[in-house]
Amino acid sequence: GAVVSQHPSWVICKSGTSVKIECRSLDFQATTMFWYRQFPKQSLMLMATSNEGSKATYEQGVEKDKFLINHASLTLSTLTVTSAHPEDSSFYICSAPRSHPGDTQYFGPGTRLLVL
Amino acid sequence: DAKTTQPNSMESNEEEPVHLPCNHSTISGTDYIHWYRQLPSQGPEYVIHGLTSNVNNRMASLAIAEDRKSSTLILHRATLRDAAVYYCILRDVDAGNMLTFGGGTRLMVKP
Repeated sequence: GAVVSQHPSWVICKSGTSVKIECRSLDFQATTMFWYRQFPKQSLMLMATSNEGSKATYEQGVEKDKFLINHASLTLSTLTVTSAHPEDSSFYICSAPRSHPGDTQYFGPGTRLLVL
Repeated sequence: DAKTTQPNSMESNEEEPVHLPCNHSTISGTDYIHWYRQLPSQGPEYVIHGLTSNVNNRMASLAIAEDRKSSTLILHRATLRDAAVYYCILRDVDAGNMLTFGGGTRLMVKP
């Protein structure tokens, strides 16, 4: 079964609204989680590293004020797309390493966002 | 993470073995070779990883060249459910847990 879940699985929103996406590790604790974005027919692009108890680390070119990340607990990280625009429409995927650093990554099923 | 090179796409017949190549000529001594695959409209899933020796698990086998500059993911009997994008990723365990995805290989399986 899935060890990382995401909610919602898909969302449609109006331009200008904010959308929150949750990523949960179901049976393990994750001090670090990763957020990726994937546009159609493209590969995954790392957006940011979510760190429990501290600020997220954003990749170059990703606006931290637009993509708010909160790692509220050892099993939950949230990504909020603020003032969403049509160009933010994408497939958002989170991942978490299961145990110790160096372990394999477990990915969530993804959240498809469509901004009208 | 060091760069990897994979063919954009490959085709296979159902029930036949598939060999998916990956070149990583700039691999360093602390880089592990990881393979993930992504089925349509899903998040990636772990397939296999290795350092120097060949590896086998229930999903696939990983053959690593002696000089570690290339590797091959082997699916012993392709099924229609194996149609996916396969990503070969080098990960330096000393540099954190993040994964850098390249273009991957889109595997098409014909019935």
